[in-house]
Amino acid sequence: DADVTQTPRNRITKTGKRIMLECSQTKGHDRMYWYRQDPGLGLRLIYYSFDVKDINKGEISDGYSVSRQAQAKFSLSLESAIPNQTALYFCATSDLLDGYTFGSGTRLTVV
Amino acid sequence: GQQLNQSPQSMFIQEGEDVSMNCTSSSIFNTWLWYKQEPGEGPVLLIALYKAGELTSNGRLTAQFGITRKDSFLNISASIPSDVGIYFCAGQPLIQGAQKLVFGQGTRLTINP
Repeated sequence: DADVTQTPRNRITKTGKRIMLECSQTKGHDRMYWYRQDPGLGLRLIYYSFDVKDINKGEISDGYSVSRQAQAKFSLSLESAIPNQTALYFCATSDLLDGYTFGSGTRLTVV
Repeated sequence: GQQLNQSPQSMFIQEGEDVSMNCTSSSIFNTWLWYKQEPGEGPVLLIALYKAGELTSNGRLTAQFGITRKDSFLNISASIPSDVGIYFCAGQPLIQGAQKLVFGQGTRLTINP
């Protein structure tokens, strides 16, 4: 099993729909992150959480929300999806010893 | 927010050639990381740099942490087809909370056999 698992791997949704992307990890890391990747822009941080009771906005949090249900689970929600949220989304975990571990990504298309 | 400028954005080379890419920032970073991303996968760490001036190798890959702490480069020697992918630099800012990374825009490497 992968250390960081993202579901679904691919999703097509309609404008205005609510959608949740899920992330679970077996690394035992406290710190979890959601990034968005667009061509030519690299990875940009949406939200991050340093433990279960800690949630922080990243540089592009507008239109997104997150929930840290447990140490191992961190979900990203789009309350009302719009086409410019079409992107590749990555979940990551980290600690001081292991550094960052990324999931395999969720490709989201909003039509 | 803070940004890293990574160049070049893309490279088309012949198998066996050496590759060089770099990242620069207007801010100081206390850690520089280089990642590789293959299609359908998340980034995977190649090299981590923790000290200004540090030069670190991982097989055919060599990376350096600039003396000014505002830049880093990655070299790949004698490229092979499996080097194809997108390479990202990432920096951990000196001021912000621990382990929040800022990423460059990526360098897409294509190799002609």
